[in-house]
Amino acid sequence: EAQVTQNPRYLITVTGKKLTVTCSQNMNHEYMSWYRQDPGLGLRQIYYSMNVEVTDKGDVPEGYKVSRKEKRNFPLILESPSPNQTSLYFCASSLGLQSYEQYFGPGTRLTVT
Amino acid sequence: KQEVTQIPAALSVPEGENLVLNCSFTDSAIYNLQWFRQDPGKGLTSLLLIQSSQREQTSGRLNASLDKSSGRSTLYIAASQPGDSATYLCAGDNTDKLIFGTGTRLQVFP
Repeated sequence: EAQVTQNPRYLITVTGKKLTVTCSQNMNHEYMSWYRQDPGLGLRQIYYSMNVEVTDKGDVPEGYKVSRKEKRNFPLILESPSPNQTSLYFCASSLGLQSYEQYFGPGTRLTVT
Repeated sequence: KQEVTQIPAALSVPEGENLVLNCSFTDSAIYNLQWFRQDPGKGLTSLLLIQSSQREQTSGRLNASLDKSSGRSTLYIAASQPGDSATYLCAGDNTDKLIFGTGTRLQVFP
């Protein structure tokens, strides 16, 4: 089944404790991206990747890192999480950005205390 | 800066109604337009993708149109059902990113 998977689905952590949210897709997609969703602000892009070893900042990259060492995986790293990073995070992938359908993962709900 | 507005923000209707959800962009220079559905606490499911060379797309009871000259898209839902209750998001892409609206929360009651 074609899908985007994220782990963990739920995470409660404390300020400053490094964490990684994994994202994997099985559709051989080149384009992958991370979003956060907050009430009243909608979905905002954090980082995106056009292909392996190619990543770029989205609208809200501060406090986040990503890597794209292989095509299927695009982990999101929070080196020192803070309470303002409490949010619902989504990973997405597609064949490309333009003219291609975007597939979303189920989301990761992160709480930083 | 591109901004996306969805109207109405929320809608509550009885089953069987035909509905129109609106999406507008401040900058009409978008390539493609995609409509998504999001159920509470869940991910986004793609409903319809209107590519740059198209003006509308249909899937079952759903029809989406795009007027690039005005930067507007509408999602038409025919004969609404309680199972259609969800938040509907539109998103347009330009050169390197997808820009989302804040959504329309739809409730269809029996």
